[in-house]
Amino acid sequence: SAVISQKPSRDICQRGTSLTIQCQVDSQVTMMFWYRQQPGQSLTLIATANQGSEATYESGFVIDKFPISRPNLTFSTLTVSNMSPEDSSIYLCSVELQADGEQYFGPGTRLTVT
Amino acid sequence: GENVEQHPSTLSVQEGDSAVIKCTYSDSASNYFPWYKQELGKRPQLIIDIRSNVGEKKDQRIAVTLNKTAKHFSLHITETQPEDSAVYFCAASEAGGSYIPTFGRGTSLIVHP
Repeated sequence: SAVISQKPSRDICQRGTSLTIQCQVDSQVTMMFWYRQQPGQSLTLIATANQGSEATYESGFVIDKFPISRPNLTFSTLTVSNMSPEDSSIYLCSVELQADGEQYFGPGTRLTVT
Repeated sequence: GENVEQHPSTLSVQEGDSAVIKCTYSDSASNYFPWYKQELGKRPQLIIDIRSNVGEKKDQRIAVTLNKTAKHFSLHITETQPEDSAVYFCAASEAGGSYIPTFGRGTSLIVHP
């Protein structure tokens, strides 16, 4: 497996502000993803973070709202912009490891928007 | 795109009983089927996976079976213990392709002592 860290682990933010979440992996990865998980719900893919190029967004998610960067193979950021209470959720970074081709999740960031 | 259905949404068993969770998928190109366990307040953890070149895989008390013809796969937990209580997610993807897994809605397993 790998050590995947996310910062911050949780935050409470005001409506209209933005929050940037960081994800760092200690191993070589082939792919990085960002998910959202509402309480009691499944995992919803926001986007695939591509190294050095624009992320690939899933239906219902747009770059202006969720800008993503991936400057190198092991680091990515997700920004939640112009937040509203509906953005309150857990945001999870996930990676596919080069070593075994399996997918692992970071510890998540619990976001509350007031 | 891929569609994954997971049943049941809730499963309650007595300690020592077996538990079975079933998933179906729609895309015949899918060839990689992982299972994740998510305890309350924690991240999903990969517990077992199966690839389309095998029909069954076991790891101690857990096993996964795959029927590619019928496009369904199942998680089997034997001799359940209270610490098995969690939400379990199945997923399907095409490994080596775009490898973007589609997750089921999850099954909340409750093991009563």
